[in-house]
Amino acid sequence: KAGVTQTPRYLIKTRGQQVTLSCSPISGHRSVSWYQQTPGQGLQFLFEYFSETQRNKGNFPGRFSGRQFSNSRSEMNVSTLELGDSALYLCASSLRGLPPTESQETQYFGPGTRLLVL
Amino acid sequence: GENVEQHPSTLSVQEGDSAVIKCTYSDSASNYFPWYKQELGKRPQLIIDIRSNVGEKKDQRIAVTLNKTAKHFSLHITETQPEDSAVYFCAASKRHQGAQKLVFGQGTRLTINP
Repeated sequence: KAGVTQTPRYLIKTRGQQVTLSCSPISGHRSVSWYQQTPGQGLQFLFEYFSETQRNKGNFPGRFSGRQFSNSRSEMNVSTLELGDSALYLCASSLRGLPPTESQETQYFGPGTRLLVL
Repeated sequence: GENVEQHPSTLSVQEGDSAVIKCTYSDSASNYFPWYKQELGKRPQLIIDIRSNVGEKKDQRIAVTLNKTAKHFSLHITETQPEDSAVYFCAASKRHQGAQKLVFGQGTRLTINP
């Protein structure tokens, strides 16, 4: 099976702009989670989507949003970019069926999108 | 909310020696503890995980132990090799309304010296 893919891999934006990142999960996986990775803050949870619904949310401002499509692909959007938004944005997919079982919890990461805000 | 502390932040060991990385978590309801390895410029890769109903798990040279009472878990790598050099992250999560939210430690940069 192909792994988690993310596009684009690299992105340069200026302050005030907005950006949309895309994540395609492993085939058959229904849950997509997003994380922000920075040298100072490490890996921080943004949100999780399952069946096109946001199921869980981290402590990020409303400028960070996301959505999931019926084919489980997910996008995240950051509006009004700030310098501090420069980071590696990782998505991870998992099976997570209904009801969820332990073996379906494992999250597999994509290669990430490196965003630089100037 | 959940908080995960990871130590040490950097670790340097001689090839062939063992390496131990420790994590503590704050939420006693956490029930799933994965460890990820991230090589430079690459994605985090799951190397081993443990659930709260198990005290220890081994996979070849890698083992993880969990002490629920003390709320800490550790990664043990034996017979270290140069390819073990990477940043290792621990994480903790609990199932809430069917969702899992991984909270990560700050990472440990492991260097294996030949």
